[in-house]
Amino acid sequence: NAGVMQNPRHLVRRRGQEARLRCSPMKGHSHVYWYRQLPEEGLKFMVYLQKENIIDESGMPKERFSAEFPKEGPSILRIQQVVRGDSAAYFCASSPPGTVVVKNIQYFGAGTRLSVL
Amino acid sequence: AQTVTQSQPEMSVQEAETVTLSCTYDTSESDYYLFWYKQPPSRQMILVIRQEAYKQQNATENRFSVNFQKAAKSFSLKISDSQLGDAAMYFCAYTAASRLTFGEGTQLTVNP
Repeated sequence: NAGVMQNPRHLVRRRGQEARLRCSPMKGHSHVYWYRQLPEEGLKFMVYLQKENIIDESGMPKERFSAEFPKEGPSILRIQQVVRGDSAAYFCASSPPGTVVVKNIQYFGAGTRLSVL
Repeated sequence: AQTVTQSQPEMSVQEAETVTLSCTYDTSESDYYLFWYKQPPSRQMILVIRQEAYKQQNATENRFSVNFQKAAKSFSLKISDSQLGDAAMYFCAYTAASRLTFGEGTQLTVNP
């Protein structure tokens, strides 16, 4: 039973380019969360999605960042026109469907380290 | 706003000894969950233990146990019989809805 899969593990972009980070949740999971970890800091919530819906994006920067979780395929975190301050580790987590979301454990992927030159 | 504070940036322990990592949190909710996650150098986030706020009994997972003091909003992690493989960054986390709120982490070193 594969865990949460994130790719690529390491992504290098030049300032102004676009970064696309992919996350495949665990089998049977329909909730996806994205977190960002800046160097020497804890993880910070960005966005919570269910299939085809953004449930909570209160942690997402208002500009340049977007996320989707289509009916088919992985969840995508997209960062347009990257800047050096976007350099960080981006983690995806997934949890199973259920009516009481707070009870569901979030299982994490290994993260994508984005480096902006 | 919910906050999680880990006041120990670094801790060290001798192999086979016991160490306690501290965590405090602030919330106005009555029903919530608390977690300890471990992040080794591989960066993978691994769930160590989970505590439900409405349960008075402290959670235990093998060598890992918590001391949950709800009134004091304290949630410490005790690691018994420490092993070299326990060396990692440890994060305390809280949730009352969907998102997790993390502390800044405690870097644990295990000395042979």
